[in-house]
Amino acid sequence: NAGVMQNPRHLVRRRGQEARLRCSPMKGHSHVYWYRQLPEEGLKFMVYLQKENIIDESGMPKERFSAEFPKEGPSILRIQQVVRGDSAAYFCASSPPPGLTEAFFGQGTRLTVV
Amino acid sequence: AQSVTQLGSHVSVSEGALVLLRCNYSSSVPPYLFWYVQYPNQGLQLLLKYTSAATLVKGINGFEAEFKKSETSFHLTKPSAHMSDAAEYFCAVSKDTGFQKLVFGTGTRLLVSP
Repeated sequence: NAGVMQNPRHLVRRRGQEARLRCSPMKGHSHVYWYRQLPEEGLKFMVYLQKENIIDESGMPKERFSAEFPKEGPSILRIQQVVRGDSAAYFCASSPPPGLTEAFFGQGTRLTVV
Repeated sequence: AQSVTQLGSHVSVSEGALVLLRCNYSSSVPPYLFWYVQYPNQGLQLLLKYTSAATLVKGINGFEAEFKKSETSFHLTKPSAHMSDAAEYFCAVSKDTGFQKLVFGTGTRLLVSP
């Protein structure tokens, strides 16, 4: 049973480009969470998704950031017109349906904006 | 609102010595508390979790933590440090089981010297 898979592991983008980060949850998990870890900081919640639904996006920046979790395929975190401040590690976690407390994290995507 | 405070951004111990990583939480509802470990360039791995059952929680790799409501603490301990324990440790709090939106502390880097 593969864990949460994120790709790419490392992503370099120039300012103004778009970044697409992918997350494939563990088998049987229908809930996905995205977190961002800025240098020397803890993880900050961004968005919580179920299949085809955004449940809570209270941690998402108002502009340039979007997330989706389609019926088929991985969850995508999209950052448009990246800026240097977007450089961070982006972690995805997944969990089973409600009632359980544990989420399993992927290895993260490290985005560097140059 | 919930929050977590981790005292000490860096903790240094000698191999074989006691490990004590501090975590204090703030929560208006009974909390669910977690400790995660992050090895360099890796994702987060769950060490242990408190979900209102036993107040002394045992986790993987010989770690344990004790929930103390009167002190609003959830400190992580290990009797004897091993070189392989060197990593970043994060304490996190969540307010319910069905919707997991973890609030993380800023992390404590554990350094283990021979």
